[in-house]
Amino acid sequence: SQQGEEDPQALSIQEGENATMNCSYKTSINNLQWYRQNSGRGLVHLILIRSNEREKHSGRLRVTLDTSKKSSSLLITASRAADTASYFCATDVQGAGKSTFGDGTTLTVKP
Amino acid sequence: DAGVIQSPRHEVTEMGQEVTLRCKPISGHNSLFWYRQTMMRGLELLIYFNNNVPIDDSGMPEDRFSAKMPNASFSTLKIQPSEPRDSAVYFCASSFLLQDEQYFGPGTRLTVT
Repeated sequence: SQQGEEDPQALSIQEGENATMNCSYKTSINNLQWYRQNSGRGLVHLILIRSNEREKHSGRLRVTLDTSKKSSSLLITASRAADTASYFCATDVQGAGKSTFGDGTTLTVKP
Repeated sequence: DAGVIQSPRHEVTEMGQEVTLRCKPISGHNSLFWYRQTMMRGLELLIYFNNNVPIDDSGMPEDRFSAKMPNASFSTLKIQPSEPRDSAVYFCASSFLLQDEQYFGPGTRLTVT
């Protein structure tokens, strides 16, 4: 099974609303990262949160990390149609050399 | 910097042919990753290198797949012979360190008929 799993698989909201997506993982991590992928493009890094951090902000993005629950959430506030994309979490497991990506959440923001 | 460069951007080939995908990572980055993405299987890590050395190729689906990194500025992913089920978008990504932010290339869309 996946180290990092996003929830929900798909999310559809109206422009201006907030979007929240979650990532759960199974083993202890060094960092957790969020990426965005627009249709037909490569993934773009959004934010990295370290295991000793609980919350991080970047513009309209807010990421939280709860290591006791082994989960993270990505909140996009005041969503725009341009936020329509797939969002992936990637976990950096302690002792592992690489980041492990989940299956992603597909976000659709309707204008 | 131009970012991660991949070529070709699109490749259409017939079953049985050899396919070579190319990647130029960002200058100064020490780690390079090859991924495959399909609707059915999502994003799969095929192989990754650190300082030009292959670290983990357990994601390579079959012996038909091979990857090399002869120097810090170039890597290839080869499929020989290709099969229709290899049709996918192949991404190359690089990072300064293994668990740092990864920079993805635009991908190569491979279609094997």
